[in-house]
Amino acid sequence: DIQMTQSPSTLSTSIGDRVTITCRASQSIDSWVAWYQQKPGKAPKLLIYKASSLETGVPSRFSGSGSGTEFTLTISSLQPDDFATYYCQQYHDYPLTFGGGTKVEIK
Amino acid sequence: QVQLVQSGAEVKKPGASVKVSCRASGYSFTDYYMHWVRQAPGQGLEWMGWIDPNTGDTNYAQKFQGWATLSRDTSINTAYMELSRLKSDDTAIYYCARDGRMGTMGADWFAPWGQGTLVTVSS
Repeated sequence: DIQMTQSPSTLSTSIGDRVTITCRASQSIDSWVAWYQQKPGKAPKLLIYKASSLETGVPSRFSGSGSGTEFTLTISSLQPDDFATYYCQQYHDYPLTFGGGTKVEIK
Repeated sequence: QVQLVQSGAEVKKPGASVKVSCRASGYSFTDYYMHWVRQAPGQGLEWMGWIDPNTGDTNYAQKFQGWATLSRDTSINTAYMELSRLKSDDTAIYYCARDGRMGTMGADWFAPWGQGTLVTVSS
């Protein structure tokens, strides 16, 4: 199975900060990575697919980059609505697997 | 708009089975694979498998092989996930989630997701 390792697991940050979350795959997965945002009590919501493609309707402050084994999700200027948990997911091979999550919380 | 609506919360005893439904609307149900993902309380996301609503073909994560059963009823645009021999650590929120694109053979991102169904296993 492809392991997806996210870091950090928790991020304490402030409104307006630039936030970067990293996801490392245990083997090369080309660009087959998606990123999701999940708020408490809600289903995950797709933000980014194919490593860097922004889902329709997602604010442009979100961006993704990377290929191979290392990927990043960046929020250019954190907004109050962005406090949530973020997950990466690989879809290069079965079983489809997720990272352990990064909780972005208020400092 | 594309929407997935799941059945309500369930409470089951250990050893029982549960069947969760996921009704799709706003798109052609048979054009996109449907996945199931679960999330234990306070934990991360775990992919269970997919069903091709067009053919009924399925693909399970090894952990769920022989234990979970995915099915569908195309007449009512609904997918189902049944889990048998429930244990307390099967307590989780179970989500259905549609493949992001047509024709991916199930290896894809997920959008949209259902609202989730909490299954509680307790004696």
